[in-house]
Amino acid sequence: AQSVSQHNHHVILSEAASLELGCNYSYGGTVNLFWYVQYPGQHLQLLLKYFSGDPLVKGIKGFEAEFIKSKFSFNLRKPSVQWSDTAEYFCAVSPNFGNEKLTFGTGTRLTIIP
Amino acid sequence: DVKVTQSSRYLVKRTGEKVFLECVQDMDHENMFWYRQDPGLGLRLIYFSYDVKMKEKGDIPEGYSVSREKKERFSLILESASTNQTSMYLCASSPPRRSDYEQYFGPGTRLTVT
Repeated sequence: AQSVSQHNHHVILSEAASLELGCNYSYGGTVNLFWYVQYPGQHLQLLLKYFSGDPLVKGIKGFEAEFIKSKFSFNLRKPSVQWSDTAEYFCAVSPNFGNEKLTFGTGTRLTIIP
Repeated sequence: DVKVTQSSRYLVKRTGEKVFLECVQDMDHENMFWYRQDPGLGLRLIYFSYDVKMKEKGDIPEGYSVSREKKERFSLILESASTNQTSMYLCASSPPRRSDYEQYFGPGTRLTVT
């Protein structure tokens, strides 16, 4: 069975700082990878996803993530954060074959100080 | 725009009560999912369904059951609510796996069992 680790539980940054949130997964086969975001009081929504091809994936709101197969990682990055990026971020993994369930990490709460 | 709606945003029930949480999606998606979200634990899959009248256990099915009589509706049932089922419950739907696969989430139901 697959699993996902997000080691940063709470990250606090000032506006304009650069962001990198870690995500590592455990699974023996090919995977699809996702980052979801939950803004305060809002639905969980997709930020970006990786299925195949270019390992550097660009998402909404200036976010990007890089899939490094050798490290089983899919870290989320943003060069300059804004106060509106304050939210909870979840990494998720799904096997490329078989059932279509997602396994989520425990989430990282991001607080941006104006 | 995909819409996933949940019957209640907030619900308060007593221990031992039977609780029904309803989820409806309007995009003719085959897959539907129920998660619970708890601080520090992320999202954990309770049950999912690939088709009408079809269900599969997720990672934490104990104490829950589900029903899918129509394609657009997926119900989560707590047969006898307990205080440890106090949580945020999220419903999601998705099309079958393909390159633009993603899960679409509802707003959540915050259930308190007293």
